[in-house]
Amino acid sequence: GESVGLHLPTLSVQEGDNSIINCAYSNSASDYFIWYKQESGKGPQFIIDIRSNMDKRQGQRVTVLLNKTVKHLSLQIAATQPGDSAVYFCADLEENAGNMLTFGGGTRLMVKP
Amino acid sequence: DTEVTQTPKHLVMGMTNKKSLKCEQHMGHRAMYWYKQKAKKPPELMFVYSYEKLSINESVPSRFSPECPNSSLLNLHLHALQPEDSALYLCASSQDPGIHNTGELFFGEGSRLTVL
Repeated sequence: GESVGLHLPTLSVQEGDNSIINCAYSNSASDYFIWYKQESGKGPQFIIDIRSNMDKRQGQRVTVLLNKTVKHLSLQIAATQPGDSAVYFCADLEENAGNMLTFGGGTRLMVKP
Repeated sequence: DTEVTQTPKHLVMGMTNKKSLKCEQHMGHRAMYWYKQKAKKPPELMFVYSYEKLSINESVPSRFSPECPNSSLLNLHLHALQPEDSALYLCASSQDPGIHNTGELFFGEGSRLTVL
């Protein structure tokens, strides 16, 4: 499939501030998107997902926004905590094309105390 | 039990060695995956097993040989690897590989492989 990319490789935020991690995708046929968090020495962990028929989905302290017009995905983390420090990957999937996830390049989030 | 367990966590092997990576899940998931992840890069799909049958091989060299002995286990047999094969090998599982799959993958913590 086509690649999913990210705007910023590293994002540094102050503890308590909100974080926004961005992702641009290129496959206009993608219909499902996921954000994963990968802490050092661990495997990726599911955070939140969104389908292409939605433009916003909220979880606990996290919100994913989808703009299909410009093929842009973002992850917003409210009141960022030190435990949020990790690499965040977006991934997309086209359900009629093998149902396989394509991961983006990753953004490292660093939370300053 | 919502874990995917991988062993060993670390493996160092020579280019003439034969070794295996193991993965286990007891969530009743019917799809299992092997990913390769190089430092500071996203995971790259290698193999997919669906209902214990190999359904996807992403043009992986034959020195990597997957095996799915049963619905809970997934192995990756390694033989005659190259130093550039050094990476974190991640196993993942998902409930159903079908078209209505949510896509949520449960990852293990990985096996860090170093090939000398």
